[in-house]
Amino acid sequence: DIQLTQSPSFLSASVGDRVTITCRASQGISSYLAWYQQKPGKAPKLLIYAASTLQSGVPSRFSGSGSGTEFTLTISSLQPEDFATYYCQQLNSYPFTFGGGTKVEIK
Amino acid sequence: EVQLVESGGGLVQPGGSLRLSCAASGFTFSSYWMSWVRQAPGKGLEWVANIKQDGSEKYYVDSVKGRFTISRDNAKNSLYLQMNSLRAEDTAVYYCARERVGYSSGLDYWGQGTLVTVSS
Repeated sequence: DIQLTQSPSFLSASVGDRVTITCRASQGISSYLAWYQQKPGKAPKLLIYAASTLQSGVPSRFSGSGSGTEFTLTISSLQPEDFATYYCQQLNSYPFTFGGGTKVEIK
Repeated sequence: EVQLVESGGGLVQPGGSLRLSCAASGFTFSSYWMSWVRQAPGKGLEWVANIKQDGSEKYYVDSVKGRFTISRDNAKNSLYLQMNSLRAEDTAVYYCARERVGYSSGLDYWGQGTLVTVSS
């Protein structure tokens, strides 16, 4: 199975900060990577697919990059509604594994 | 509006069975791969299984192979997860989710989840 390692697992940031989350795959997954945002008690929400394509309706302050084994999710200017947990998921091969998550909290 | 509504969760004893359902509306259900994803209390997401549009292909995470069966009824716009030989570690919120059109490109709509608790 492909393992996804997210870093950091927790980060504390202020409104307006630029935030970057990294997701590393244990083997190459081309660009078959998605990013999700999850708020407490809610279902995850798709933000980015195919590593860098913004899902419809997602604010442009979110962006994704990378291919192969290293990927990043960047929030260019953190907003109050962005405080949540973020997950990456690989869809290159079964099983479609998720990273362990990155919790973004208010500083 | 796309809607996915799960049902069937509850408390079950170890070794027992449960069948989850997911009612889909607002889109052409038969045109999409569908997935089940679970989340243990306070833990991260775990992809469980998925099924092709016509039910001809199904994939599972190793930990549920031989115990869980994913199925669908396109005439009823419904997705199912039959869970047998349940274990304490299967305790989780179970989400059904739609896979985006396009090869392996993410889960774009999710239900609200249904809680399965395996305990004596």
